[in-house]
Amino acid sequence: NAGVMQNPRHLVRRRGQEARLRCSPMKGHSHVYWYRQLPEEGLKFMVYLQKENIIDESGMPKERFSAEFPKEGPSILRIQQVVRGDSAAYFCASSPGGGGNQPQHFGDGTRLSIL
Amino acid sequence: AQSVTQLDSHVSVSEGTPVLLRCNYSSSYSPSLFWYVQHPNKGLQLLLKYTSAATLVKGINGFEAEFKKSETSFHLTKPSAHMSDAAEYFCVVSAGGATNKLIFGTGTLLAVQP
Repeated sequence: NAGVMQNPRHLVRRRGQEARLRCSPMKGHSHVYWYRQLPEEGLKFMVYLQKENIIDESGMPKERFSAEFPKEGPSILRIQQVVRGDSAAYFCASSPGGGGNQPQHFGDGTRLSIL
Repeated sequence: AQSVTQLDSHVSVSEGTPVLLRCNYSSSYSPSLFWYVQHPNKGLQLLLKYTSAATLVKGINGFEAEFKKSETSFHLTKPSAHMSDAAEYFCVVSAGGATNKLIFGTGTLLAVQP
């Protein structure tokens, strides 16, 4: 499968635990984006990364959320001390370049449920 | 700032009849616009994109969209709906500039009746 791979597909955490979401971009893509889809809402941008660099994190909550895209390995979205409001579907997308006309290709998402 | 407004949250059509999903955009410059489709519990699939070439854009699965600058619209159409078209559709604009972030509409849920 040459598409964007996200895992796990479903993740259940208790309040206060940590959640780690992983994303492997399409082959040849060096730009990764994370979006969050809250229930009954559209997708909202969180963060845009290139290898080892955060380019735009204007959509990230100020606390508890972090993202990285290391030189080797997948991109990771990390949520510390999760709360009920973090329950959502988290989608990763990738593109080969950073231009505004570059379409982004999405993974199937990670559904995060907080007990 | 860029934004998109999807005018209908739900659309219901009969199989074999035309589909029209409406989207208006707001942009201070020539926008890059996209339509994505999301089937239940799946990711988003790109249907088509407009990037200032032809104003009538043809996409996958028989969908097309027309960019109308005078009306600031980018409506999605299909001549004949199929049951498999039932899904949620998102009109999307690229924020442009140094970031490539996408700005999503609130979505239109398309139901196709047999």
